[in-house]
Amino acid sequence: DQQVKQNSPSLSVQEGRISILNCDYTNSMFDYFLWYKKYPAEGPTFLISISSIKDKNEDGRFTVFLNKSAKHLSLHIVPSQPGDSAVYFCAASAGNTDKLIFGTGTRLQVFP
Amino acid sequence: KAGVTQTPRYLIKTRGQQVTLSCSPISGHRSVSWYQQTPGQGLQFLFEYFSETQRNKGNFPGRFSGRQFSNSRSEMNVSTLELGDSALYLCASSWGLEVNEQFFGPGTRLTVL
Repeated sequence: DQQVKQNSPSLSVQEGRISILNCDYTNSMFDYFLWYKKYPAEGPTFLISISSIKDKNEDGRFTVFLNKSAKHLSLHIVPSQPGDSAVYFCAASAGNTDKLIFGTGTRLQVFP
Repeated sequence: KAGVTQTPRYLIKTRGQQVTLSCSPISGHRSVSWYQQTPGQGLQFLFEYFSETQRNKGNFPGRFSGRQFSNSRSEMNVSTLELGDSALYLCASSWGLEVNEQFFGPGTRLTVL
């Protein structure tokens, strides 16, 4: 049973435009959410997180939105750059110290 | 500061064999978590060790085991390998238990023939 779902395996966006990556979860116990970026031959790197007490968190070009009633979160990248091309994973946990449950990832390609 | 290192980076084994993978965390980090990444399944949590104690375990069969040493280095072992065990095995370390402070290694690519 996939508790964290990323239904779009891939996304292609033009440089300078907005990239929106989506993630849905089913477990109502999740209250902490994270996004990771992964380049080939490297481990994932932490991008941004949000706790359930907030509905938005911003860090530079990256913004994460959380809709608790819909059990949905999204990552916005504005403006998108070619260096953003990578696989993006969302992850969730029940508290900031519990194990992480990851989605299956979305491959983002940013073209010139 | 050196990052998380995993050895070996690549490994080829045959069905029925066993394998041991190693993870050296960032200096000072006490927590090590292991994940399995396969196409279409994302990263799946295997187990977490903190100060030599297994703190959390994912839904994997008993063929998957791990341990952590007093210097925080960790090993995971898979016995009686199956074709489906072919995957990228990632470890992540953190100083404490906060998941947003995990740093991942590059992974060990295991191929089972």
